[in-house]
Amino acid sequence: QVQLQESGPGLVKPSETLSLTCSVSGGSINYNYCSWIRQPAGKGLEWIGRFSATGSSNYNPSLKTRVTMSVDTSKTQFSLKLNSVTAADTAVYFCAREIVVANDWYLDVWGRGTLVTVSS
Amino acid sequence: DIQMTQSPFSLSASVGDRVTITCRASQSISIYLNWYQQKPGKAPKLLIYSASILQTGVPSRFSGSGSGTDFTLTISNLQPEDFATYFCQQSYSTPRAFGQGTKVEIK
Repeated sequence: QVQLQESGPGLVKPSETLSLTCSVSGGSINYNYCSWIRQPAGKGLEWIGRFSATGSSNYNPSLKTRVTMSVDTSKTQFSLKLNSVTAADTAVYFCAREIVVANDWYLDVWGRGTLVTVSS
Repeated sequence: DIQMTQSPFSLSASVGDRVTITCRASQSISIYLNWYQQKPGKAPKLLIYSASILQTGVPSRFSGSGSGTDFTLTISNLQPEDFATYFCQQSYSTPRAFGQGTKVEIK
């Protein structure tokens, strides 16, 4: 059973870069995507983007100029970098596996999420 | 980009009630619509994909329907563990988009 776990600093200063890692265990997502989603406290879900083990990517246009996603050579750690952060980037960040079945995509495995606060 | 609009924003219901949540897409998304349940402090959980297919392990009191732009999630015989927030999400194109969520509360 594939499991995902987010990790990274819980506090980032304004204007700096938020860096998170999504570690994959119990299997691989080599043929799927690692998606990143965030949720400000008490609010809805915002899709940040997705990255595949083969290097394909799609980003939310609203964040595209500030986002970089990648995967390590072992294909077990996916990363998210968001630069020039402000308080508006404070949220719980989730990674999730997006799989495709019969041409339909869905997020079937999620990490527990990690809270990132942007503050000086 | 496709926008997703859910209604209502919240609702109050009693155990045993039948509850319906609607989701509308800003353009046709065929059947590429997923539903998630989220409880406080937890990650969302996939309930339904392709508009009407129940994810493995999800109770049969949950059902989904619709195609094109209009979709519904129905919970029959509401149980105490169903009080949560529900989100729809389109998977027709990127950027993916979620509805704003519907909170189901105890009456």
